[in-house]
Amino acid sequence: NAGVTQTPKFRVLKTGQSMTLLCAQDMNHEYMYWYRQDPGMGLRLIHYSVGEGTTAKGEVPDGYNVSRLKKQNFLLGLESAAPSQTSVYFCASSYPSDRGLSNQPQHFGDGTRLSIL
Amino acid sequence: KQEVTQIPAALSVPEGENLVLNCSFTDSAIYNLQWFRQDPGKGLTSLLLIQSSQREQTSGRLNASLDKSSGRSTLYIAASQPGDSATYLCAVGGYGQNFVFGPGTRLSVLP
Repeated sequence: NAGVTQTPKFRVLKTGQSMTLLCAQDMNHEYMYWYRQDPGMGLRLIHYSVGEGTTAKGEVPDGYNVSRLKKQNFLLGLESAAPSQTSVYFCASSYPSDRGLSNQPQHFGDGTRLSIL
Repeated sequence: KQEVTQIPAALSVPEGENLVLNCSFTDSAIYNLQWFRQDPGKGLTSLLLIQSSQREQTSGRLNASLDKSSGRSTLYIAASQPGDSATYLCAVGGYGQNFVFGPGTRLSVLP
């Protein structure tokens, strides 16, 4: 039982390059999330999805796009990477709730460490 | 807007000590509060989830308390061990909102 798997684990990009981060979960969770974690700050929500084919903006969505074509996968794209996007990116998933995103425990992947030069 | 702080940012204790980690939040209208552990290079592992109607939750050597009126939660770790060394984060859940995370406390338990 792998849980939440993120690929790649590390990546270095040059400014202006594009890339896609992949998140896969095998727990049949409806909800999936992308966060970024920066030193001295808490995790901040970038985008999230409450089901296949749906996405929504979180707290810091600018410069990122997402897609949820299959229930088990959630992709995070950077179209034109900027140094400010250097961060550790975490994907999480959870069961659904009719009381908002924080009603169920979230399960996290091990993160993708991304450096933009 | 909910803000979550954790003081101290780092803590070092000798093995065997009982210790308390603090989490403060500015808006007391919360739905729940969750404590996580994060090991270096790893993701977050949920430790305890306290609903707003509860005062505390216990799991093994861990006890988390919640005082909504004062905007505080504490994580108590009994008889600390070197394996407890990690960063501990709290996250506050609001009605209809996602969790708001604190910056974490980095704990080192020295053998």
